[in-house]
Amino acid sequence: DIQMTQSPASLSASLEEIVTITCQASQDIGNWLAWYQQKPGKSPQLLIYGATSLADGVPSRFSGSRSGTQYSLKISRLQVEDPGIYYCLQGYSAPYTFGAGTKLELK
Amino acid sequence: EVQLVESGGGLVQPGRSLKLSCAASGFTFSNYYMAWVRQAPKKGLEWVATISTSGSRTYYPDSVKGRFTISRDNAKSSLYLQMNSLKSEDTATYYCARHGRLLDFWGPGTMVTVSS
Repeated sequence: DIQMTQSPASLSASLEEIVTITCQASQDIGNWLAWYQQKPGKSPQLLIYGATSLADGVPSRFSGSRSGTQYSLKISRLQVEDPGIYYCLQGYSAPYTFGAGTKLELK
Repeated sequence: EVQLVESGGGLVQPGRSLKLSCAASGFTFSNYYMAWVRQAPKKGLEWVATISTSGSRTYYPDSVKGRFTISRDNAKSSLYLQMNSLKSEDTATYYCARHGRLLDFWGPGTMVTVSS
């Protein structure tokens, strides 16, 4: 099975700050990587698919990148509505696996 | 507008069965793979099952293989999850998701509690 190691587990950042979350895949998954945001009591919302493509309606301050088997989600200027839990997902091969999540809070 | 609405959750005893349903609208259901994902209380996300457009191919992780069965009715735009031999560790919110750009749309979820 492909393991997705997500870091950090939690972080606290100030408004307008740049935030980066990473997921390390245990093997090559190409661009079969998505990022999700989940707010309390809600279902996850797709932010990024194909490692770098922005989902419809998602603000441009969110971006995804890839370097080998390391994938990153960047929030360029943290806004008040951005706190939540962020997950990566590999869809390269079953069993599809999520990262453990990153809890993002406002400082 | 894409909508997915799950139903069928509730309290069930260990070893018993439960069937979840997901009603889809706002897109051509038969054109998409579909999936179930679950989330135990205060825990992360776990993929549970995926089904192909025709229903001929299904995929499961080892944690539910042999106990859970995903199915679909394209005429009714509905997705199902039959869960047998339920265990306490199956307690979770179960989400129905469209397998477009990976899992691109999710329903609000239905809670399943396995307890005596």
